[in-house]
Amino acid sequence: GAVVSQHPSWVICKSGTSVKIECRSLDFQATTMFWYRQFPKQSLMLMATSNEGSKATYEQGVEKDKFLINHASLTLSTLTVTSAHPEDSSFYICSVPPPGGLFSGANVLTFGAGSRLTVL
Amino acid sequence: DQQVKQNSPSLSVQEGRISILNCDYTNSMFDYFLWYKKYPAEGPTFLISISSIKDKNEDGRFTVFLNKSAKHLSLHIVPSQPGDSAVYFCAAISMNRDDKIIFGKGTRLHILP
Repeated sequence: GAVVSQHPSWVICKSGTSVKIECRSLDFQATTMFWYRQFPKQSLMLMATSNEGSKATYEQGVEKDKFLINHASLTLSTLTVTSAHPEDSSFYICSVPPPGGLFSGANVLTFGAGSRLTVL
Repeated sequence: DQQVKQNSPSLSVQEGRISILNCDYTNSMFDYFLWYKKYPAEGPTFLISISSIKDKNEDGRFTVFLNKSAKHLSLHIVPSQPGDSAVYFCAAISMNRDDKIIFGKGTRLHILP
């Protein structure tokens, strides 16, 4: 699988500020990256699919203007939580599919280490 | 509607014994099933997968069994070790969902000394 770096691993911010989380694919160029969110004792919920050079595809119920995703290069996708509020506090995780996609035979999605956001 | 269900939020098993984690699904169109392991404050790591055309896949101490008629799969860990204490997520992929993985809520496994 891919080598994925996610930064920062932990961030605390004041309500109303914006926070940017970076996800990097270190060993190959990823045209697609996924952003997940996990609340305590809950499942990993897919928020959006980040597409290099085009707009992200958001899942139903995810606010596009709230969670800005930019995939400007083949190795970097960013998630910006705008005007963060305490209810946005969560664990955000990015992931990268293998080259050729999940149906290429190596159907392993590699995850970053995650970013814990706490909004005060 | 939750398509992948892990009905046991937690499980405790004695070290050296077998751990069995269960997962049920509702979509008969899933093509692959995967198990991920997650430690606190870390991203999930891939453990083992199984194609929908198989009924068993084994990798060392880990074996996944698939019962398509029951829409049920299970992960067996034997013997269980202290380092196996983690949250285990069952996940499924459907070719109709454009490379998206659907996760269950996870089961927290505690290995007791």
